[in-house]
Amino acid sequence: DAGVTQSPTHLIKTRGQQVTLRCSPKSGHDTVSWYQQALGQGPQFIFQYYEEEERQRGNFPDRFSGHQFPNYSSELNVNALLLGDSALYLCASSLDSYYNEQFFGPGTRLTVL
Amino acid sequence: RKEVEQDPGPFNVPEGATVAFNCTYSNSASQSFFWYRQDCRKEPKLLMSVYSSGNEDGRFTAQLNRASQYISLLIRDSKLSDSATYLCAVNGGSNYKLTFGKGTLLTVNP
Repeated sequence: DAGVTQSPTHLIKTRGQQVTLRCSPKSGHDTVSWYQQALGQGPQFIFQYYEEEERQRGNFPDRFSGHQFPNYSSELNVNALLLGDSALYLCASSLDSYYNEQFFGPGTRLTVL
Repeated sequence: RKEVEQDPGPFNVPEGATVAFNCTYSNSASQSFFWYRQDCRKEPKLLMSVYSSGNEDGRFTAQLNRASQYISLLIRDSKLSDSATYLCAVNGGSNYKLTFGKGTLLTVNP
C-alpha cells in the first residue's frame, strides 16, 4: 500500500521564479491538504482540495495556488517566489470524514535564493 | 491567545523515564485531536488520534480534557528511539485544516 508521495525532494529557485510541487495521496484517500513548515515551527495550513475544488484556504497570499486532478493527485504552485517562501512543503492525504486523520508525505524542501 | 500552544521544551530525559507533554487549544468547537512525531528533517508521522476522553497504545497514552481545552501525551519507559519533536494538532468539526503547535523536542539519553 503506497503512502503519500511528493516530488521533487529538493528544489532551489531564485526570487521571482515560479515553482510547482506535486503530490500523490495514499491509496484510497480523496482529499489533499498542503502545509508549509518553516524551521522550528509547526506546519501551517495552505489549503485543502477535495473533489478537484479548493475547499478551505489558510492565510496565504494568492501567489499560492493549487489543483487537484481526477485521480486525486495534486499540485501546489507558488509564483513570484520570495526568500521567505523557503520552507518544507508538506502534502497530507486523508479520506473525507468527520475526523479527518491526515497522513503526510516526505515533503519538498524549497530553497529560494 | 494562539490557536494551539505546546510546552516549549526541550525535554531531556534518561531512558526509562516517564515524560508528559501538554497542549492547549483555543477553539472550543474543535472535535478531533492528534499527536504527531517528527524526526529531524522528516515529515510528521501520526502517532495517536484522540477522539473521546483519551486512548492508550502501548507505552503511549493520550488524554483530552474538553472543559479545560487541553490534550496531553504521556510516554512511559522512554526509549532512545522516542527522541523526536512531538507536535499536537487540532481539527475543528467543520474545519478541514489541522492547526499545529510549534512542537516539543524530546531527547532521551542513555
